Amino acid sequence: DIQMTQSPSSVSASLGDRVTITCRASQGISSYLTWYQQKPGKAPKLLIYAASTLQSGVPSRFSGSGSGTDFTLTISSLQPEDFATYYCQQANNFPRVTFGGGTKVEIK
Amino acid sequence: EVQLLESGGGLVQPGGSLRLSCPASGFTFSNYAMSWVRQAPGMGLEWVSTISGGATSTFYADSVKGRFTISRDNSKNALYLQMNSLRAEDTAVYYCAKAYMTTTGTVGFDYWGQGTLVTVSS
Repeated sequence: DIQMTQSPSSVSASLGDRVTITCRASQGISSYLTWYQQKPGKAPKLLIYAASTLQSGVPSRFSGSGSGTDFTLTISSLQPEDFATYYCQQANNFPRVTFGGGTKVEIK
Repeated sequence: EVQLLESGGGLVQPGGSLRLSCPASGFTFSNYAMSWVRQAPGMGLEWVSTISGGATSTFYADSVKGRFTISRDNSKNALYLQMNSLRAEDTAVYYCAKAYMTTTGTVGFDYWGQGTLVTVSS
C-alpha cells in the first residue's frame, strides 16, 4: 500500500495568514493527488485534484502543487471558513486510495 | 443536485452484523463506481470498499476483506454494505461516496453522503 504522510498535524494561524500543508507519498504517484477539506460533523469536500486542479466552486486562494512524492496545499490568505481539517489522498491505484493523517488548521 | 443518504448504522455487539444502505439521486447511478469510506471517532479517513458501475468488480481494504460485502442495485439507484463479524475497530462513521472521473482518470470522490455511525460494543 502507498502510505501518505502529512505535515504538520496541526497549525495555528490568523486570519489573512498564508498556510502551507505538505503531503508525502511513500512511492511516486505522478500527479494523482487529491485534497479534501473537512469541517466537524461534516463529510469531506473535494478541493483540488490532479495535484493542482481546483475543483469548480473552490475559492482561488486554495492552490496545490507537486508531483512524484511531494505535494503541497497552500491557502494564500486564511479566511474564517477555512478553519477545518485537510486531507490528502493518493489516487495512483484507484480504487485502492489512501489518505494522509490530516492537518487541522486552527485559529491562533 | 446529487444526493447520497446513508442509513442502517447503529449499535451492534462484537461478532454481529449490520447492513448499510445509500440511495442515490441526481446523477446516472450506473455510470459511476461507488465506494464506502469510514472515519473512526477523532481519526482520519480510511477507504473501505468500491464497486464498479456495472457491479462486475469489487474491491476491499485488507482490514475488511472476507467480512464485508459491497453491492449495488442499479434499478433502485442504491449502494449497500453488508458488514459481518464486526469488531470494535470497525466503529466509525461510514460514508458512501461517488467516484470522480476526470479526463486524467478517477481521482477520488466528488460527492459524499452525510455518514452513518456504526458502533461495535458489548
